[in-house]
Amino acid sequence: GQQLNQSPQSMFIQEGEDVSMNCTSSSIFNTWLWYKQDPGEGPVLLIALYKAGELTSNGRLTAQFGITRKDSFLNISASIPSDVGIYFCAGQLGQAGTALIFGKGTTLSVSS
Amino acid sequence: KAGVTQTPRYLIKTRGQQVTLSCSPISGHRSVSWYQQTPGQGLQFLFEYFSETQRNKGNFPGRFSGRQFSNSRSEMNVSTLELGDSALYLCASSLGTFAVYNEQFFGPGTRLTVL
Repeated sequence: GQQLNQSPQSMFIQEGEDVSMNCTSSSIFNTWLWYKQDPGEGPVLLIALYKAGELTSNGRLTAQFGITRKDSFLNISASIPSDVGIYFCAGQLGQAGTALIFGKGTTLSVSS
Repeated sequence: KAGVTQTPRYLIKTRGQQVTLSCSPISGHRSVSWYQQTPGQGLQFLFEYFSETQRNKGNFPGRFSGRQFSNSRSEMNVSTLELGDSALYLCASSLGTFAVYNEQFFGPGTRLTVL
């Protein structure tokens, strides 16, 4: 089945540093999504991308939908301790009603 | 606006038993999707229900089943539990309309442990 390759698997950074993570796929996606999951909670949507080449920001977060529609990246600028958590990319193949396919996640640790 | 609620939050069962998990979507949402989250496999799609009909299904054995009621609440059932079924089961609701994308809102999950 389809798979999303998310990297890196984990990151240990200092507060104030910038972070970059990415996802690649062998399949073309119509929508790319980035979620964050805190312990004991379900994933929360951070950014949704709908068009190839689209670059979208949400505060200190910036994400891009790759031109080939097979990849996406998420950048976090000036990290803070509350950025700690697991970040997931997800792709949606078709229209609403299709399943989300998730990457394995990037665990972010921030030391102050 | 209340979020997605899932009950119970924690569950311990033994092999061979069956279990039923419940999900109440956000008011007005008609689509409910279920996902299994494990450390090894990550988040994997189980199935989606919309207007009481299964609209999409992932690659899981028939021991995993679900249903949706007229008020959009959904249940999933796992029969003949195996140790590998231990996981966090997440429910997500969305409007479910055929737009470009309908944001899915996740509940906190049910942590199932099979002994």
